[in-house]
Amino acid sequence: AQKVTQAQTEISVVEKEDVTLDCVYETRDTTYYLFWYKQPPSGELVFLIRRNSFDEQNEISGRYSWNFQKSTSSFNFTITASQVVDSAVYFCALSEAIGNQFYFGTGTSLTVIP
Amino acid sequence: DSGVTQTPKHLITATGQRVTLRCSPRSGDLSVYWYQQSLDQGLQFLIHYYNGEERAKGNILERFSAQQFPDLHSELNLSSLELGDSALYFCASSVAIAGDTGELFFGEGSRLTVL
Repeated sequence: AQKVTQAQTEISVVEKEDVTLDCVYETRDTTYYLFWYKQPPSGELVFLIRRNSFDEQNEISGRYSWNFQKSTSSFNFTITASQVVDSAVYFCALSEAIGNQFYFGTGTSLTVIP
Repeated sequence: DSGVTQTPKHLITATGQRVTLRCSPRSGDLSVYWYQQSLDQGLQFLIHYYNGEERAKGNILERFSAQQFPDLHSELNLSSLELGDSALYFCASSVAIAGDTGELFFGEGSRLTVL
């Protein structure tokens, strides 16, 4: 069964618009971790954030914010005032405490148009 | 710089050949993961090693094999290469303390082109 779903395959926004990338996960564990990674056109995978299942506080880092809601099994990522440099593929991932396995979503390709 | 080193960065070879990709994890990380990313595809999990032992296998072909050595570096061996094996191969490492999965730190990837 797919554990992480990123339903949005591609999104295009105009620069300075806000954009939200959706991530829905599935797990039976009570302890788990959620992640977001960015893959710019250059290809490397950059770690953005890690959240554990006991911490539902939303987080803000500059123009980036993350909304974790256990009730809906979602961990959404919002970019405020998007910039061209935000153009990338963004991956959401889940890791369960037991087994140390990671499950990645299929990614959302974000294009920010100048 | 993630601290994970992958070599080579680029590799061009012919069908039927064999190649070895190498990965040095971050200092102190015991877990090494290998992923394959084909053109415009997501990340396909291949295999996970923890402190020298194989922990989990994903969609890894029988033509592919891997190992993690006592110094914790890992190698991914790809043999009888086919055109469809052309992809970006990522190695990632994590601390992976029991019950607390650290984040994965990825290398820059090895881009394999099979002609």
